[in-house]
Amino acid sequence: RKEVEQDPGPFNVPEGATVAFNCTYSNSASQSFFWYRQDCRKEPKLLMSVYSSGNEDGRFTAQLNRASQYISLLIRDSKLSDSATYLCVVNVKGYNKLIFGAGTRLAVHP
Amino acid sequence: ETGVTQSPTHLIKTRGQQVTLRCSSQSGHNTVSWYQQALGQGPQFIFQYYREEENGRGNFPPRFSGLQFPNYSSELNVNALELDDSALYLCASSFLRQGVSDEQFFGPGTRLTVL
Repeated sequence: RKEVEQDPGPFNVPEGATVAFNCTYSNSASQSFFWYRQDCRKEPKLLMSVYSSGNEDGRFTAQLNRASQYISLLIRDSKLSDSATYLCVVNVKGYNKLIFGAGTRLAVHP
Repeated sequence: ETGVTQSPTHLIKTRGQQVTLRCSSQSGHNTVSWYQQALGQGPQFIFQYYREEENGRGNFPPRFSGLQFPNYSSELNVNALELDDSALYLCASSFLRQGVSDEQFFGPGTRLTVL
């Protein structure tokens, strides 16, 4: 079983749609949680950290459920510029390595 | 821009050869982590360097080795290249404080092709 698993995608949605990405992690010692965005042939960039209380940044909302070991990302009012691969990432307590999921590709079309 | 630079941007090698990839960390950072990203996969942790010593290693064979220099820049060396080593190699720079790393900032990567 992979340490971080994500929806395989791709997600093809029209502009303005709401899209949700799900992610599960296997290590209960996971301490920090993130969503990264990666554009084609570019490096990953931090989109947002994920907190137990849930957090929102404009059109983006992230949720964490530690009991279920589940992380989600909701994108509202999708824009063409949101097209990218979204990577779910965890950091296990005591380690300083980031553990990435395989990513979910999002394509927003006009 | 993150301020993390990597060189070269692209590289083509043949099986059995050796390669050295370089990374300059962001100003103020003291830690460099290296990741391998195969096509269609998420980045996989190779190892991390802190204060010129390896500070954690992923599931990669010994032919993957590294260095960190006093200015915190780093090198990744891969010996006896195999076809499966073809990937995007990313370095990430961060500040490690009391055993905990702040946000990791990624460089643009080096795309290695092994023929």
